Amino acid sequence: DAKTTQPNSMESNEEEPVHLPCNHSTISGTDYIHWYRQLPSQGPEYVIHGLTSNVNNRMASLAIAEDRKSSTLILHRATLRDAAVYYCILLHMYSGGGADGLTFGKGTHLIIQP
Amino acid sequence: DSGVTQTPKHLITATGQRVTLRCSPRSGDLSVYWYQQSLDQGLQFLIQYYNGEERAKGNILERFSAQQFPDLHSELNLSSLELGDSALYFCASSVAGTPEETQYFGPGTRLLVL
Repeated sequence: DAKTTQPNSMESNEEEPVHLPCNHSTISGTDYIHWYRQLPSQGPEYVIHGLTSNVNNRMASLAIAEDRKSSTLILHRATLRDAAVYYCILLHMYSGGGADGLTFGKGTHLIIQP
Repeated sequence: DSGVTQTPKHLITATGQRVTLRCSPRSGDLSVYWYQQSLDQGLQFLIQYYNGEERAKGNILERFSAQQFPDLHSELNLSSLELGDSALYFCASSVAGTPEETQYFGPGTRLLVL
């Protein structure tokens, strides 16, 4: 399975943008890039995903490098509620169209300072 | 609220015992995933079902088994329990189990083996 590398932790101030990097140099052409986050004492929560193009949704933006070997999750205006562990995950599509479950690494622990 | 329900919320049992964890997916979702989160191993994918059939297997022990019923709810059976099986067990669901889909996680079942 293709692996991802993320910083162990990052710190940001409230109401400022946050850029969370992820390296995935062994990504294959059919791997989707997913981001999930886990708030304390909760189950993981979907944030965003993409394949090749940059993506935006109400929670965040995902910037994918042209060679797809890295990506960046962008929280445009962090709040205290965004403090969580953020996981960058590659999901491989099999020839039949299915996929394995999510392979969570250690993720990035995002700390938001008021 | 993700729409995925898990019961029970907490479970305390003894070594050697057997327990059953239950998951109801979101309405309309055909695929169910099981994950284990322990302090030393992090979040690990165990097994996936799609419309009653096993689709993918992760790091699931032989002492563990699962099934998905015709009404699409799923059960994870853990037998011959060991202290190391103490963990949070999450269920997630998605519409068709494909890699471009969002997985919606339940609140988890916290298992404590004494």
